[in-house]
Amino acid sequence: AQSVTQLGSHVSVSEGALVLLRCNYSSSVPPYLFWYVQYPNQGLQLLLKYTSAATLVKGINGFEAEFKKSETSFHLTKPSAHMSDAAEYFCAVSASGGSYIPTFGRGTSLIVHP
Amino acid sequence: GAGVSQSPSNKVTEKGKDVELRCDPISGHTALYWYRQSLGQGLEFLIYFQGNSAPDKSGLPSDRFSAERTGGSVSTLTIQRTQQEDSAVYLCASSPEPGLAINNEQFFGPGTRLTVL
Repeated sequence: AQSVTQLGSHVSVSEGALVLLRCNYSSSVPPYLFWYVQYPNQGLQLLLKYTSAATLVKGINGFEAEFKKSETSFHLTKPSAHMSDAAEYFCAVSASGGSYIPTFGRGTSLIVHP
Repeated sequence: GAGVSQSPSNKVTEKGKDVELRCDPISGHTALYWYRQSLGQGLEFLIYFQGNSAPDKSGLPSDRFSAERTGGSVSTLTIQRTQQEDSAVYLCASSPEPGLAINNEQFFGPGTRLTVL
């Protein structure tokens, strides 16, 4: 079984500030981990993914995430928020060698203030 | 190339009516997923198709929901006797052959917003 917890349904930051969106997972086998972004009235698009090649993963739009096995975490960060980063962010886990149906977190809405 | 497309983009229907939602996946993608996204909720898995295998229907909330995938490509999600609680955005995603780490990401369509009056 696998699950994902995203702490905080809403995160508010000022433009230029650090963005930190938290994701903790549970999986009985080595996981694949993903962050997706959803802009208003659009589908989800992949920001980045962890597939065991490297623990620090860089994605699009300046985002990155670090896989920490000891903490079962995959938090998403960006050094400096931009107004265009305002969106809904979803963390997802998929189990390698098992079901290919990923489990998504409930999402975190990122609000960026000028 | 073309991404995942869904139609219609918006659907308003009356309670009790049947609706069909269509998904055109990316050409060559063998895996296809349907999700439901309700206001303020995450993505709720509905059904998964992989190649010619029997679909995984474990997420369908009731027998009013069904889905088909013809010729390994286009998929249709049907909701019979719609209820107000069916109102949501229905998202479709496709993925290349699973089992390869690099290919495990999903490509999402823009969704169909269903409103049941």
